[in-house]
Amino acid sequence: DAGVIQSPRHEVTEMGQEVTLRCKPISGHDYLFWYRQTMMRGLELLIYFNNNVPIDDSGMPEDRFSAKMPNASFSTLKIQPSEPRDSAVYFCASSPGTGGPEAFFGQGTRLTVV
Amino acid sequence: RKEVEQDPGPFNVPEGATVAFNCTYSNSASQSFFWYRQDCRKEPKLLMSVYSSGNEDGRFTAQLNRASQYISLLIRDSKLSDSATYLCVVNGGGTASKLTFGTGTRLQVTL
Repeated sequence: DAGVIQSPRHEVTEMGQEVTLRCKPISGHDYLFWYRQTMMRGLELLIYFNNNVPIDDSGMPEDRFSAKMPNASFSTLKIQPSEPRDSAVYFCASSPGTGGPEAFFGQGTRLTVV
Repeated sequence: RKEVEQDPGPFNVPEGATVAFNCTYSNSASQSFFWYRQDCRKEPKLLMSVYSSGNEDGRFTAQLNRASQYISLLIRDSKLSDSATYLCVVNGGGTASKLTFGTGTRLQVTL
């Protein structure tokens, strides 16, 4: 298996622009997580899905952030409009959700909003 | 109070030293505990789970103290390749529910 695949790896955008981050989880995993990592706050859970259904979005910072999972193999995290304080590394992770709940992370998208 | 708290370090130790990290968690209902390792500019990866009875994996030993709500990681005979950030992770309950990460403890092993 190729693991969790995220795109793009790097994104530089101007303030006010829309940004869409993409994630393909490991096939067969029932859970998908979106995390944001900054030096100041560490890894923060933004939202997670179970069987494509959003379960907990309490970590989504503002209405500017939205996430979707239209099918089991694809999810997006959208920021509209983007702001400089959104600059961070965004990780997607998936988990089989049975037995040991280990989360497998993608390589992340490094977002810079200027 | 943060849900999971760690000393950010850095811990600078010579090769061959023994080093220990602690982590405290606030939710007494937490069910599962883990240590993840994150290399610079890479994604976090599971290092080991932490069991109530304590568990060992080679040079790494993890322990859980539910009464005091802390988790520890001991690394013996440190190697240069152990240099990384170690993240304490707590699962609030249920199967693959929220994994809450500490901010990590940075370890630098030197010659």
